[in-house]
Amino acid sequence: DGGITQSPKYLFRKEGQNVTLSCEQNLNHDAMYWYRQDPGQGLRLIYYSQIVNDFQKGDIAEGYSVSREKKESFPLTVTSAQKNPTAFYLCASSISQGRAGTEAFFGQGTRLTVV
Amino acid sequence: AQKITQTQPGMFVQEKEAVTLDCTYDTSDPSYGLFWYKQPSSGEMIFLIYQGSYDQQNATEGRYSLNFQKARKSANLVISASQLGDSAMYFCAMRAQETSGSRLTFGEGTQLTVNP
Repeated sequence: DGGITQSPKYLFRKEGQNVTLSCEQNLNHDAMYWYRQDPGQGLRLIYYSQIVNDFQKGDIAEGYSVSREKKESFPLTVTSAQKNPTAFYLCASSISQGRAGTEAFFGQGTRLTVV
Repeated sequence: AQKITQTQPGMFVQEKEAVTLDCTYDTSDPSYGLFWYKQPSSGEMIFLIYQGSYDQQNATEGRYSLNFQKARKSANLVISASQLGDSAMYFCAMRAQETSGSRLTFGEGTQLTVNP
């Protein structure tokens, strides 16, 4: 079945460590997104990519990095520079340019906890 | 810049009644799309309904309808005949293609509770 797979579902990080969250899609979508959600809050955009080898910062990119080497994959690295990384992370994808009306499809999310 | 505002942190409704969740938006782009998503306590994001800026009629999907008032820049979600399973967080989102490309921006959300 087509969809978006995020892994792992739960992730624990020690302070000072970098961790990478995986996001893979087989929907042949050009655009991919990473959002952060804190308890009871909305989704804040971290990074998004409209095409392979290109990505843009969202509203809260500091302390995060991404790559887009393949159309199917958009991994997110939470670096030690991110001071408060404990949150729920959601990855999404959608058809890209010229298609404002296409909805984004979401993965199941990764819950990151700093221990 | 594009912005989505949801002014109702929490809403309560009796089972089988209708409820309206408010959403206002701000963009200078003439072409944009508005979306509503539902997020149950499990965390998954479920797409509900879409409204395009050039659509002449309000969107409807089953028990969901969108009250789109372009001049007021509002896109309120109406849920008819509420069910207990409708209890969840609801998010309004927008994509403005010309000015922001594929960027998809979300509001803060509204927590809906359906009472039996």
